Amino acid sequence: GESVGLHLPTLSVQEGDNSIINCAYSNSASDYFIWYKQESGKGPQFIIDIRSNMDKRQGQRVTVLLNKTVKHLSLQIAATQPGDSAVYFCAENSNQAGTALIFGKGTTLSVSS
Amino acid sequence: DAGITQSPRHKVTETGTPVTLRCHQTENHRYMYWYRQDPGHGLRLIHYSYGVKDTDKGEVSDGYSVSRSKTEDFLLTLESATSSQTSVYFCAISAGWGEKLFFGSGTQLSVL
Repeated sequence: GESVGLHLPTLSVQEGDNSIINCAYSNSASDYFIWYKQESGKGPQFIIDIRSNMDKRQGQRVTVLLNKTVKHLSLQIAATQPGDSAVYFCAENSNQAGTALIFGKGTTLSVSS
Repeated sequence: DAGITQSPRHKVTETGTPVTLRCHQTENHRYMYWYRQDPGHGLRLIHYSYGVKDTDKGEVSDGYSVSRSKTEDFLLTLESATSSQTSVYFCAISAGWGEKLFFGSGTQLSVL
């Protein structure tokens, strides 16, 4: 079936480095994508979103890139901090009845100082 | 988690007992959802609501029921809890269908 997945289950970086977390999607009909951050023991937290009419969107220290040609989504975190350590996962709107968003399984980002 | 309150935060119960989880929102969003999160499965939709008394099933609805009597409240009931329902349950809200979800802090449910 169609699903959203992530390339790597874990990513370890040093404090101050830039982090890139990737996500591949297979539903070419999806037109809206979201990145979430989930810290241990907490609910997923919205980070940034992007619609399919855009290729790039920037937030505070985060940038999301969308490549519709290869169905690829990435989250870039600049100057990664220990507080960025969490599980990150992407989501896409499924355009399917009964399923609001399809979630990937997540990448665990570990930041060492 | 602002604007979304889940209760209880933790619950331990025995197999066969009924359990009700509560979600309360102060954002006046139309859509409310219940998800469960399990290792290796990610977030899976149990039920959702698109208005007062308007609910529908998600992908893992067996063994669960929901009710929404007010815009701000969405209840998830396990009529007879089983060990396979041990999980972390998240309530979420959104302004529109297919739009970004905002999640509560979760309920850790253990069925012994």
